[in-house]
Amino acid sequence: EDQVTQSPEALRLQEGESSSLNCSYTVSGLRGLFWYRQDPGKGPEFLFTLYSAGEEKEKERLKATLTKKESFLHITAPKPEDSATYLCAVPEGMNRDDKIIFGKGTRLHILP
Amino acid sequence: EAGVAQSPRYKIIEKRQSVAFWCNPISGHATLYWYQQILGQGPKLLIQFQNNGVVDDSQLPKDRFSAERLKGVDSTLKIQPAKLEDSAVYLCASRPMDSGANVLTFGAGSRLTVL
Repeated sequence: EDQVTQSPEALRLQEGESSSLNCSYTVSGLRGLFWYRQDPGKGPEFLFTLYSAGEEKEKERLKATLTKKESFLHITAPKPEDSATYLCAVPEGMNRDDKIIFGKGTRLHILP
Repeated sequence: EAGVAQSPRYKIIEKRQSVAFWCNPISGHATLYWYQQILGQGPKLLIQFQNNGVVDDSQLPKDRFSAERLKGVDSTLKIQPAKLEDSAVYLCASRPMDSGANVLTFGAGSRLTVL
C-alpha cells in the first residue's frame, strides 16, 4: 500500500516556465513531511520540512506548501540547474524513530 | 563536517556471488539507515540502527541480506547470494539521535550491478 504518491513521474519545462510538483500521503497523524533533491549519481539532499497544514517554506526558486492531504513543491522561473529528482518523504508512524517512507520522486528536467 | 562515507561506489558481480558495502556515518550520529533505490524508484528502507541496535529490519530480505553496526559507528551491508533483482543503489544515511526533525544526511551510494 503506497503511503506517499508523487506526481507527475517526470516533468520537462522550459527555462523560466513555472510549475508545481505534487506529493499526496495517507499516513495518519502526520509528524512532518520532507522534501529532498537528488542529483544523478548522488544521494538525496534535504530541502524542507513541513509540519502543519498551511505551512510554507521557501528556498531560492522553490516553495513548499502543505495541506492535510498533500504537499506541493512550486518551482518559480526554474533554471537548468534545478534539474533533478525531487523526493517527498514522511515518517510512517507516531514514534520519533519510525521509519521514513519515500515516494518514487518526480524527475524534473529544465530545458535551456 | 565530513559527510556520510560509502564504499565501494560501484560494484559489478555475477548472480549468486556475494558483495559487501561499507558506510561511515557523520560523527556523533546515533541513527543509521540503509536504503535500497532501484532505478526509477524512491529509496526503500532496508534496515535502521540506533547505535548498534536494530530498530527496524522488516523489509530486509534476511535470507540473503545481513547488516551489522559494530560499536555503533560504521556499518556493513552484505548480500549473499546476490540475485539479478538486487541491482540497485544502496544508500546509507544518518541523523543525530536527538534530532526531532528526522532530517537524514545521505551518502553518495554504492551502485550494484548483478549480471
